Amino acid sequence: RKEVEQDPGPFNVPEGATVAFNCTYSNSASQSFFWYRQDCRKEPKLLMSVYSSGNEDGRFTAQLNRASQYISLLIRDSKLSDSAIYLCVVDKGGGFKTIFGAGTRLFVKA
Amino acid sequence: EPEVTQTPSHQVTQMGQEVILRCVPISNHLYFYWYRQILGQKVEFLVSFYNNEISEKSEIFDDQFSVERPDGSNFTLKIRSTKLEDSAMYFCASTDGGGWGRVYEQYFGPGTRLTVT
Repeated sequence: RKEVEQDPGPFNVPEGATVAFNCTYSNSASQSFFWYRQDCRKEPKLLMSVYSSGNEDGRFTAQLNRASQYISLLIRDSKLSDSAIYLCVVDKGGGFKTIFGAGTRLFVKA
Repeated sequence: EPEVTQTPSHQVTQMGQEVILRCVPISNHLYFYWYRQILGQKVEFLVSFYNNEISEKSEIFDDQFSVERPDGSNFTLKIRSTKLEDSAMYFCASTDGGGWGRVYEQYFGPGTRLTVT
């Protein structure tokens, strides 16, 4: 099982759609969970941290299920500017190492 | 808004040469990281650094690589005897905290594209 696994996509959605991304991680000792976005040939940019209680930032909602070792990201009312690669990031558990998923590509079309 | 900066933006070097990639982390941040991303592949952790020493390193980070914080602002990655397969984008990141095995939110620089010919 990969350390961090994401659906590669691509997801092609129209503007205004709701889209959900999933991520699973293999190390039950992991404590830190994040979603980043990466535009073509640019650096990853922090989208949001993910907490057990779930968290929301505007159109974005992240959920963590520790029992299933599963993280999700929901984007509501998609905008053209949401087109990017979404990266699931998890710490390795007990250290200062982070593991990136391969990313899920999203295309939002007019 | 404070940001992480990296220089140069693009470095071309010949196989076997040494390169130094430079990063200026956000000024009040304490934890520093280097990552690499080969074109079309995922972001890979190289090393984390805190309190003037390496906290953690990956299998990729072998004797060919070294990191240094030569002064209060710069954080460098040195790659000795570069190989073709070292061609990648190298990202620096910093964070203002960490501890108890937890990684805090990281802020990335724009990257240095290294091309080894």
